[in-house]
Amino acid sequence: DTGVSQDPRHKITKRGQNVTFRCDPISEHNRLYWYRQTLGQGPEFLTYFQNEAQLEKSRLLSDRFSAERPKGSFSTLEIQRTEQGDSAMYLCASSSRQVVGNEKLFFGSGTQLSVL
Amino acid sequence: DQQVKQNSPSLSVQEGRISILNCDYTNSMFDYFLWYKKYPAEGPTFLISISSIKDKNEDGRFTVFLNKSAKHLSLHIVPSQPGDSAVYFCAASRSGGSNYKLTFGKGTLLTVNP
Repeated sequence: DTGVSQDPRHKITKRGQNVTFRCDPISEHNRLYWYRQTLGQGPEFLTYFQNEAQLEKSRLLSDRFSAERPKGSFSTLEIQRTEQGDSAMYLCASSSRQVVGNEKLFFGSGTQLSVL
Repeated sequence: DQQVKQNSPSLSVQEGRISILNCDYTNSMFDYFLWYKKYPAEGPTFLISISSIKDKNEDGRFTVFLNKSAKHLSLHIVPSQPGDSAVYFCAASRSGGSNYKLTFGKGTLLTVNP
């Protein structure tokens, strides 16, 4: 078990640029989540995949955001035309069903995005 | 609308004493609750959880208590150690359906002084 891996750990970009983050979940985990955390707040849900299907998107996920999980393995989160308000830590988590109704998420170390 | 609330932004305790972190929720559909611990520049790490069919779950120095009627849960750490210093997040989810997403509180920064 190598844990959830996220790349890069840090990203600094200029406003208006596009950025892409990658997440490699724990192998055999079929569920993958993206969260965003800003200073002083808890992680906020962005989107969820079961295998390759994106099943839910938060209203926080504007049309500048897109996420994919081709073949149900790794996932990418792209932000187009970044804005300063996008500055946050982007967290990826994965899980698999253990017991119905009881499921814990395993988080990666996150990608810290700074938009200048 | 904050569905999971941690009203204490910070808590400071002495090493060896008990730490009690509190969490309230408003959504009565939540039936599974978790505590995560987070160090700076790292992702949250799962600590302990409790299902709504129980009122207590214990794991070593960590115990979570759930009061469904009050929609309140608490995390007890006994004895507290300096390595426990971190931000603690309370989280909740709804079972059923196909999405087990977690709703988090804003966190409580615990400082354990030697």
